[in-house]
Amino acid sequence: DGGITQSPKYLFRKEGQNVTLSCEQNLNHDAMYWYRQDPGQGLRLIYYSQIVNDFQKGDIAEGYSVSREKKESFPLTVTSAQKNPTAFYLCASSPGLQGTLYGYTFGSGTRLTVV
Amino acid sequence: SQELEQSPQSLIVQEGKNLTINCTSSKTLYGLYWYKQKYGEGLIFLMMLQKGGEEKSHEKITAKLDEKKQQSSLHITASQPSHAGIYLCGAHYNFNKFYFGSGTKLNVKP
Repeated sequence: DGGITQSPKYLFRKEGQNVTLSCEQNLNHDAMYWYRQDPGQGLRLIYYSQIVNDFQKGDIAEGYSVSREKKESFPLTVTSAQKNPTAFYLCASSPGLQGTLYGYTFGSGTRLTVV
Repeated sequence: SQELEQSPQSLIVQEGKNLTINCTSSKTLYGLYWYKQKYGEGLIFLMMLQKGGEEKSHEKITAKLDEKKQQSSLHITASQPSHAGIYLCGAHYNFNKFYFGSGTKLNVKP
């Protein structure tokens, strides 16, 4: 079955460490997205990518980096510059940015905790 | 996001009761989406509304978009514990920006 796989489900980061969250999709979708979810704040867009080797900053990109070397993969790195990284991170994809007419498909999320 | 306001923020209902969740936009919507999220999991797409006055139903969940395309309501009939979770509305106003409401936490007491 097609879908989006996020890993790991739980991730612990020490102060000053960079960590990378994985997002893989086999839906042949062009567009991929990373969202951060904090309690009571809904979802906020971190980065999005329309095509391979191209990505754009969302509303809260500071302290994060992404790459899009393959259509299927859109990993998110939470750098040490992100001062408050503890949150639930969701990856999503859609056929295209214009394909938002068909809704997004979401992964099951990664919960990142700073220890 | 400030573009989309959801109400109420949380809701506790007795099993079997009906309930309504609202999503209000500050601007005319191009498309309005409803998602459901189980605690600690990803979002599940419920339905999408695009035309003013449109109404869609899936099992016991009905969503409507008003004529002006600035407000949507999600109505659950005869709620069950399986309906519990967080309901989020999402919308795009142009092709590059998609916004989510802050979510409504629903608990259904057996």
